[in-house]
Amino acid sequence: NAGVTQTPKFQVLKTGQSMTLQCAQDMNHEYMSWYRQDPGMGLRLIHYSVGAGITDQGEVPNGYNVSRSTTEDFPLRLLSAAPSQTSVYFCASTGSRANTEAFFGQGTRLTVV
Amino acid sequence: GQQVMQIPQYQHVQEGEDFTTYCNSSTTLSNIQWYKQRPGGHPVFLIQLVKSGEVKKQKRLTFQFGEAKKNSSLHITATQTTDVGTYFCAYGGATNKLIFGTGTLLAVQP
Repeated sequence: NAGVTQTPKFQVLKTGQSMTLQCAQDMNHEYMSWYRQDPGMGLRLIHYSVGAGITDQGEVPNGYNVSRSTTEDFPLRLLSAAPSQTSVYFCASTGSRANTEAFFGQGTRLTVV
Repeated sequence: GQQVMQIPQYQHVQEGEDFTTYCNSSTTLSNIQWYKQRPGGHPVFLIQLVKSGEVKKQKRLTFQFGEAKKNSSLHITATQTTDVGTYFCAYGGATNKLIFGTGTLLAVQP
C-alpha cells in the first residue's frame, strides 16, 4: 500500500523555468491538497480538490496551477518559477468522510535559483 | 480570514520534563487535528477532537479541545528523545480543507 506518492524528491530550477510536481494516491480518496512549508510559517495551503474535475484555491495560490483529471492524480504546475517558490512541497489526501485524517506524501524540496 | 496561532514557536526541554503547545483561534472551530512532523519527514496525523471540552489521551500525550472550541492544547508528559519534531494543529471543515497552525518545534536534550 503506497499511500501518497510524490515525485521528484528534489529539484533545482532556474528562474523562469516551468515544471510539474507529481502526486498520486492509491487510497481512493476524494480530497487532495498541496501545501508549501517554509521555515517559521508552517504549512500553507496552495490548492485543493474535492474530487475529479473540481479544484479550488487555498491560502497562497499565486504562481501555481492544478488540475484533477482522475481521482488518483493531482499534479501541481509552476509555469514560471521564481526564487520565492523555493520551499518544501507536500501533497496530502483525505478520505470522503468529513473530519478525517490527512495522509501526506514524502515531500518535494524545490530550489529556484 | 480565520487564523490559528500556535505557541510557543520553539521549546527546548530536558528529557523527562513536560511539554505543552497551544493552539488559539479567533473564531469557533468545528474540529481540531494534531500532527507531528519529525525532522526531515512529513506530517503524520496524531488525533482529531470534535466535541467541546473533549480530552483524549495517547500514552504520554494528552489532547484537549476548549469549551468554546476556540483553543486546543497538546501536553506531553515526561518527554523522550523520540518526541523531537514539530507539532502542528490544523482545522478543517466539511470539504476537508485543512488549514494548519504555524507549528511548535520541540527539542529534547538527553
